Amino acid sequence: DTAVSQTPKYLVTQMGNDKSIKCEQNLGHDTMYWYKQDSKKFLKIMFSYNNKELIINETVPNRFSPKSPDKAHLNLHINSLELGDSAVYFCASSAVYEQYFGPGTRLTVT
Amino acid sequence: DQQVKQNSPSLSVQEGRISILNCDYTNSMFDYFLWYKKYPAEGPTFLISISSIKDKNEDGRFTVFLNKSAKHLSLHIVPSQPGDSAVYFCAARIMKTSYDKVIFGPGTSLSVIP
Repeated sequence: DTAVSQTPKYLVTQMGNDKSIKCEQNLGHDTMYWYKQDSKKFLKIMFSYNNKELIINETVPNRFSPKSPDKAHLNLHINSLELGDSAVYFCASSAVYEQYFGPGTRLTVT
Repeated sequence: DQQVKQNSPSLSVQEGRISILNCDYTNSMFDYFLWYKKYPAEGPTFLISISSIKDKNEDGRFTVFLNKSAKHLSLHIVPSQPGDSAVYFCAARIMKTSYDKVIFGPGTSLSVIP
């Protein structure tokens, strides 16, 4: 049973397009996150949600809009994609201290 | 401004010997420190953690040491095994009622040579 799943695993698209990445966790956790791992391999937090409410938005452009329809899901929608958005995006969830990560979505913007 | 630093991008160790991965941080507000292991094309996997009020935590072959005065922590793996070859991320967490942030270091790539 996959604890944190993301779809799609790979996403190739052109500049200017709008795309979504879906995330689901079956661990019953209250808190979910989106991270971006850039070309230099730094993992940076983008958003943190607790019980469907946004608690952290790390100066991410407005083109990125997370949506949490319920506690188990946190989707990421990106408008007007830019070349610099190319990265691996990880979803994660957390109960207390440690986080559980999804397998990542590699986004390539051409 | 990198609040969590891992100054060694890579480390090679012989199988059976000890691996020591180091991490330094700048913010004394961190409540919790964690180590994650990452294989290529997979998400990071939680390994071990330590509260800011402790100085040592051990779990099987893995031990994390925290020196608060030096703002330094280290992960010891003994004995090292080839399957331990991966990228190891140090992370620091601030947990408040309405604020929860985790900051990751840049990672250290560990190679365990058979």
